[in-house]
Amino acid sequence: GAVVSQHPSWVICKSGTSVKIECRSLDFQATTMFWYRQFPKQSLMLMATSNEGSKATYEQGVEKDKFLINHASLTLSTLTVTSAHPEDSSFYICSARAPGQGWQPQHFGDGTRLSIL
Amino acid sequence: SQQGEEDPQALSIQEGENATMNCSYKTSINNLQWYRQNSGRGLVHLILIRSNEREKHSGRLRVTLDTSKKSSSLLITASRAADTASYFCATEPGGTSYGKLTFGQGTILTVHP
Repeated sequence: GAVVSQHPSWVICKSGTSVKIECRSLDFQATTMFWYRQFPKQSLMLMATSNEGSKATYEQGVEKDKFLINHASLTLSTLTVTSAHPEDSSFYICSARAPGQGWQPQHFGDGTRLSIL
Repeated sequence: SQQGEEDPQALSIQEGENATMNCSYKTSINNLQWYRQNSGRGLVHLILIRSNEREKHSGRLRVTLDTSKKSSSLLITASRAADTASYFCATEPGGTSYGKLTFGQGTILTVHP
């Protein structure tokens, strides 16, 4: 079945560092991917919609300059947390929907746990 | 974004018992989906119910949808210890917002062997 791979799975870094998270669709092409953020014991909040070949669409309240999204190919979207601070520590998850006739479920990566010291 | 509510927030049962989780949402939807998340992992899609459907079954899962009350329920029958996870409902709108999921707060299910 369709698989979405996310890398890295865990990042620990110092405050002020920029961190890049990759989301790959392994066996299908995804023109659209989604990035979510999840705080401990809470739900997922949609951050942005990543569109291949065009600018990402950000949800209200999400800083575009803080969370840079690049969807340069049909199988890869990246989320860069720029100048990360402790409040950016969270679990980041991407998803993509495989193409096909009719409705297809979204496939989620295993997430990236980001810890900023 | 709007978040739906789920109850209970946590549910603890014995193996073999049934588990029921409820979800409410606020806006009109194209469909409602249920996902499972094991601790620290991504989400796995369980079942989808369309806005014009009232009930759906898949193995030990049964989902109901009441669009007049904007609510859904997920029933897991004959639960197993391996069912221990967090369960989220997610609504998907139609139109230009297709694909953008709004998740409920989730129910943490613990099944004791």
